Amino acid sequence: EAQVTQNPRYLITVTGKKLTVTCSQNMNHEYMSWYRQDPGLGLRQIYYSMNVEVTDKGDVPEGYKVSRKEKRNFPLILESPSPNQTSLYFCASSPLRSIQPGELFFGEGSRLTVL
Amino acid sequence: DAKTTQPPSMDCAEGRAANLPCNHSTISGNEYVYWYRQIHSQGPQYIIHGLKNNETNEMASLIITEDRKSSTLILPHATLRDTAVYYCIVLETIGYMLTFGVGTQLTVNP
Repeated sequence: EAQVTQNPRYLITVTGKKLTVTCSQNMNHEYMSWYRQDPGLGLRQIYYSMNVEVTDKGDVPEGYKVSRKEKRNFPLILESPSPNQTSLYFCASSPLRSIQPGELFFGEGSRLTVL
Repeated sequence: DAKTTQPPSMDCAEGRAANLPCNHSTISGNEYVYWYRQIHSQGPQYIIHGLKNNETNEMASLIITEDRKSSTLILPHATLRDTAVYYCIVLETIGYMLTFGVGTQLTVNP
């Protein structure tokens, strides 16, 4: 089954304790992206990647890191989480087509709470 | 990418057509219009997209005005399961920084 898988789905952690949210897709998509969703603010893009070893900042990259060493994986790293990073996080992937952008496939979301 | 403007909320009776508007007056010639929806806190789901012509698929129809400054997503026979937040996005091929905004909360009433 074609899917985007995020882990963990739920996490409660404390300020400053490094954590990684993994994202994996099995559709051989070139493009991957991370979003956070907060009440009243919609979905905001954190980072995106057009292909292996190519990453770019989105709207709200501060406090986050990403890496794209393999095509299927795009982990989101919070080196020193703070309470303002409490949010619902989504990973998405998309095929890149020569003529038009491909549709995004989203994961189920990871709800992170930083105390 | 061009910005979009959507009404914050809309209501629709079950079985009737739901028409969701989107204004994208600064859209450029090579930007596509995409629609997604998000049910509760699930991951957003792709619905439809178009460039100039009207489009239809099994989920919905997309009507884009001739000047491309606005579009309407049509759910022809809304059901309770169509209650969701609907996002309108404009996007170029190159430069994949996507902004979803807050969308339109569609509530389908029995």
